Amino acid sequence: QKEVEQDPGPLSVPEGAIVSLNCTYSNSAFQYFMWYRQYSRKGPELLMYTYSSGNKEDGRFTAQVDKSSKYISLFIRDSQPSDSATYLCAMNDQAGTALIFGKGTTLSVSS
Amino acid sequence: GAVVSQHPSWVICKSGTSVKIECRSLDFQATTMFWYRQFPKQSLMLMATSNEGSKATYEQGVEKDKFLINHASLTLSTLTVTSAHPEDSSFYICSSSGTTYEQYFGPGTRLTVT
Repeated sequence: QKEVEQDPGPLSVPEGAIVSLNCTYSNSAFQYFMWYRQYSRKGPELLMYTYSSGNKEDGRFTAQVDKSSKYISLFIRDSQPSDSATYLCAMNDQAGTALIFGKGTTLSVSS
Repeated sequence: GAVVSQHPSWVICKSGTSVKIECRSLDFQATTMFWYRQFPKQSLMLMATSNEGSKATYEQGVEKDKFLINHASLTLSTLTVTSAHPEDSSFYICSSSGTTYEQYFGPGTRLTVT
């Protein structure tokens, strides 16, 4: 079992839809959780970051962490064509250490 | 968020030559920098971790004599691919970490070895 599992998709939705992206993990020591967005041939862009369990909202994006289930989610409301990208979840157990990444989910939002 | 730059963004070199890629943390002091490579439609693969002033720690299977990493200051790390071969063609990305837990990535460098 890989440390971080993420459905690679692809996921196709119409503009305005609510998108749910998820990752599961096996290491209970993970406590820092991040979501990155990566456009083709570009470096990952940090979207959301959370520490431990709970929710965090930033504009159209909401990140949720459920440590008891070892499950994290990213919700995108009112999705836009510009949201079309690959979304990577990442996590680690100590600040400043290497991130463990999921494989990434490719999202396509059609207008 | 913090800004991390990489140079060059794209480089083509001949087999057997060496290529140096620079990663700069522009607006914060990066105590730790990470180097990744990414193949098309795949996730990032960690190559090595470097701390300022220390030798880099390489992941299993990464040849440290081939991928030379130098982290000379809190704002600059370099990756040198020595005696490059076509199989080294890839997308190389660095990330920086400071005193907080967020990590910021550079825009990546596309290396093509002919």
